[in-house]
Order: sequence, then structure tokens, then C-alpha cells
Amino acid sequence: DAGVIQSPRHEVTEMGQEVTLRCKPISGHDYLFWYRQTMMRGLELLIYFNNNVPIDDSGMPEDRFSAKMPNASFSTLKIQPSEPRDSAVYFCASSLKGQGTGLLFFGSGTQLSVL
Amino acid sequence: AQRVTQPEKLLSVFKGAPVELKCNYSYSGSPELFWYVQYSRQRLQLLLRHISRESIKGFTADLNKGETSFHLKKPFAQEEDSAMYYCALSGFGDDKIIFGKGTRLHILP
Repeated sequence: DAGVIQSPRHEVTEMGQEVTLRCKPISGHDYLFWYRQTMMRGLELLIYFNNNVPIDDSGMPEDRFSAKMPNASFSTLKIQPSEPRDSAVYFCASSLKGQGTGLLFFGSGTQLSVL
Repeated sequence: AQRVTQPEKLLSVFKGAPVELKCNYSYSGSPELFWYVQYSRQRLQLLLRHISRESIKGFTADLNKGETSFHLKKPFAQEEDSAMYYCALSGFGDDKIIFGKGTRLHILP
């Protein structure tokens, strides 16, 4: 397995544009997490899914952010419209409950720059 | 509310010297604590978790419920330990995992 796959690796866009980040979890994993990493705030949990169902989206900063998981092998995080303060590295991680709590497998992240 | 505090953003230590990365937490129930590490140009990965009581790459961490701390320690720092370290917390039976802001460890030659 190639691990958690995120795309794109880098995204540069202009303020007001729609941005879609993509994630493919490890096959068979039943949890998927989206995190945002910034210097000021560290790693923030945005939302997580269990068996494709959103469980907790309390970390989603605003209505401009939305996330979906249409099936077990794909999730998207969308920002519409994007703003410069959304610039950050966005990580996706997956886990399998049977492997034990806390064992997250992270993707390589998407570096988002909003100009 | 759950909270993880890592008071140091940057820690510089000479090679061969002891390392201690501080982590304090706030959680009303029974916590599970972890340390994650991100080496340069690598993915974030689990280093160790308190329930395993293990030593990984010479690092250990003891959960102190009285002080609500989970400090990461290593007796002799090595240059390859330079990385970003995150302390993380989950509640027992809870699937949500939250992270501190991270500490960048820089090992000086």
C-alpha cells in the first residue's frame, strides 16, 4: 500500500477562488481525519469521519470550509471562497480502530498558498 | 475541554546532552497520550504512546496524571533527532485525536 495519498502537493490560488483538496486513505481504514498545520496554531483537527460519516466537524473554521467522503477510498476538503488566512499545510490521516487508538497514518500534506 | 500544551516552540540541545520536550494536557476523563514526530521531508508518524510503555529510538515518556504531563525524554541527544515533535491526546474510547502546537528540536553538533 502506498499509504495515504493527498493531492495536489502544492496549490497556489488567488483570494476568492475555490480550492479542493483530495485524500485517498489506506485501504481498509475506517477513520479519516483532516488537519491543518500553521506556525501559529500547530496541528488543528478540522473534521473526522468514521465509515464515511462525518462524526465531528467542530474544528471547521467557517462555512467556507466543507468536507465530504462519498466512499471509503476518497475524501475532499473544499474551501470556497478561499482567503489568504487559509494558507497552511493541510494533512489527511487515516486509521483503523482495531490497530489501537492514536495510530494515525498521515499523508504528505497539501501546501496551500492563497494570494 | 481537551487541550494539549507544548510550551516550547523551539528547543536547541547539544549532541550528547539530555533532551526533555514538555507536554501538559487538560482532559476531564481518562486520557491516552502520544508523541508524533516529523523529520525533514518525511511524513508525520507516531513515535510512541503511553499505553505501550516502550522506548523508541532512545526516547521515553511517562504519563504523570498528578501533574497532567507527558514529557518526552532522551538521555543523550543525537543529530538525527532534529525534527518537529507533537504531543497528542485522545480520550479513552474516544476516536478524536488532538495535537499540541509542536516543538522543533534542533540538535547542535
